[in-house]
Amino acid sequence: GESVGLHLPTLSVQEGDNSIINCAYSNSASDYFIWYKQESGKGPQFIIDIRSNMDKRQGQRVTVLLNKTVKHLSLQIAATQPGDSAVYFCAENIGTGGSYIPTFGRGTSLIVHP
Amino acid sequence: EPEVTQTPSHQVTQMGQEVILRCVPISNHLYFYWYRQILGQKVEFLVSFYNNEISEKSEIFDDQFSVERPDGSNFTLKIRSTKLEDSAMYFCATRGQGRETQYFGPGTRLLVL
Repeated sequence: GESVGLHLPTLSVQEGDNSIINCAYSNSASDYFIWYKQESGKGPQFIIDIRSNMDKRQGQRVTVLLNKTVKHLSLQIAATQPGDSAVYFCAENIGTGGSYIPTFGRGTSLIVHP
Repeated sequence: EPEVTQTPSHQVTQMGQEVILRCVPISNHLYFYWYRQILGQKVEFLVSFYNNEISEKSEIFDDQFSVERPDGSNFTLKIRSTKLEDSAMYFCATRGQGRETQYFGPGTRLLVL
């Protein structure tokens, strides 16, 4: 069936480096994608989203890139800080009738070393 | 900044017992959701709720589960007869009208013994 997945389960970087977290999706009908950050013991926190009619969207220190040709999504974090250490989930929106229910990937654990 | 809150933060129960998990949505949000996350696994959708009725539910959301918004404030998830495999983090999420972003609560960690 359709699924959302992540290439790397763990990513370790040094403070100040740029981080790139990747995600593959397979549902070509998905038109909305979200990145969430989940710190230990907390709920998923919205970071940034992108619609399928866009290729790139920038936020504060984060950029999401969408390549619909290969069904690939990435999250770039500039100047990574220790506070960025968390699990990052991509999710695709397959909601119907406006329910906007995301399907989550398994997550990538980002570890930032000071 | 408004946020979704959930109570209790932790719940330990015996198999077969009923549990009720509570969520207080962001005040002007109209769409409500429950998700669960078994330790080390993906966040999984359970149910969505709008206008006092279920909009969608997943295969996980069987007859043992129910949701309601009894007082127009709290949004609750009830598990009638808990099973060991119900042990998980349960997240409530809410969304505003015409907005796609869901805001998640901190979760309730449920442990069924």
